[in-house]
Amino acid sequence: DIQMTQSPSSLSASVGDRVTITCRASQGISNDLAWFQQKPGKAPKSLIYGASSLQSGVPSKFSGSGSGTDFALTISSLQPEDYATYYCQQYKTYPLTFGGGTKVEIK
Amino acid sequence: EVQLVESGGGLVQPGGSLRLSCAASGFTFSDYYMDWVRQAPGKGLEWVGRIRKKDNSFTTEYAASVRGRFTISRDDSKNSLYLQMNSLKTEDTAVYYCVRVEYTLDYWGQGTLVTVSS
Repeated sequence: DIQMTQSPSSLSASVGDRVTITCRASQGISNDLAWFQQKPGKAPKSLIYGASSLQSGVPSKFSGSGSGTDFALTISSLQPEDYATYYCQQYKTYPLTFGGGTKVEIK
Repeated sequence: EVQLVESGGGLVQPGGSLRLSCAASGFTFSDYYMDWVRQAPGKGLEWVGRIRKKDNSFTTEYAASVRGRFTISRDDSKNSLYLQMNSLKTEDTAVYYCVRVEYTLDYWGQGTLVTVSS
């Protein structure tokens, strides 16, 4: 199975900060990488697919980058509604696997 | 508007069975692969399995942790997805999400809680 490792597992940031979360795959996955946002008590929401393509309706402050084994999700200017847990996920091979999550908290 | 509504969760004893349903609306259900993803309390996301569409013979994929115990099926005439769970274990306790697949897991239901406990 492909292991997905996210870092950091949690971070504290202020409104307006630029935030970057990284995700590493245990083997190459080309650009078959997605990012999700989950708020407490809610279902995950798709943000990015294909490593860098923005899902319809997702604001452009979210961006994704990377290919192969190393990926990143960047929030250009953190807003109160962005405080959540973020997950990466590979869909190159079965079983589909998720990173452990990064909790973004208010500083 | 795409809607996915899960039902059928509840409390079940270890070794028992449960069948989850997912009612889909707002899109042509038969055109899409569908997945189940679960999340244990306070934990991360775990992919459970996938069912492909009719053109791909409704074939399925499963996570190793559920293979042989869980079965995914669909009824395109009812726009419904199912998860039959047998031989349930305490570690199957989780919120189970029904998810549409379009390149990625693009729409998620609100989830249904399954608790396996004696």
